[in-house]
Amino acid sequence: SAVISQKPSRDICQRGTSLTIQCQVDSQVTMMFWYRQQPGQSLTLIATANQGSEATYESGFVIDKFPISRPNLTFSTLTVSNMSPEDSSIYLCSGTVTGEGEQYFGPGTRLTVT
Amino acid sequence: GNSVTQMEGPVTLSEEAFLTINCTYTATGYPSLFWYVQYPGEGLQLLLKATKADDKGSNKGFEATYRKETTSFHLEKGSVQVSDSAVYFCALSGSGGYNKLIFGAGTRLAVHP
Repeated sequence: SAVISQKPSRDICQRGTSLTIQCQVDSQVTMMFWYRQQPGQSLTLIATANQGSEATYESGFVIDKFPISRPNLTFSTLTVSNMSPEDSSIYLCSGTVTGEGEQYFGPGTRLTVT
Repeated sequence: GNSVTQMEGPVTLSEEAFLTINCTYTATGYPSLFWYVQYPGEGLQLLLKATKADDKGSNKGFEATYRKETTSFHLEKGSVQVSDSAVYFCALSGSGGYNKLIFGAGTRLAVHP
């Protein structure tokens, strides 16, 4: 299993600014993922964070808007750039532990853009 | 492409009632299937999983059976409690287990005393 923490847990940001969300795992994970959950909605995958290479983005998400870093097997960051109110969501990271199949999720970062 | 369809909520039940939340999927190959639960104000927790046809996942009184013939993975519990009130998400991942998850829309369950 894995325990995943995220920072910050919530933030209120002004339009046009950027926020970097950190995701820390207590064990090495093979894959890390970033999801967005808009209010009252399901989860949508933003990108897969690959260690040592660029992230793989899903349709509708681009690197300039959501740059991702993954410097090692236990840490990743997601930046939400040039924010607008439409970016107000919960952002969750997850990881799959080496040798296991399921994904473990962090508690999420609740972002409000004013 | 792969997709997951869940019954719409909210589902409102009295304590000790029987619960079924329907989930069907479309996928190529042999996906793994999952139920995740999200309690108010919290992140997602894995509730149960099944990795091949006819597998039954179970946890905390919840069960779901991987039915390839009907492409379904319905969640059931014989007697719900108020503490089961949450949003339940059905999800699948592609063959191999490490692939990204595709989620259903989620079903909100409210259990009243």
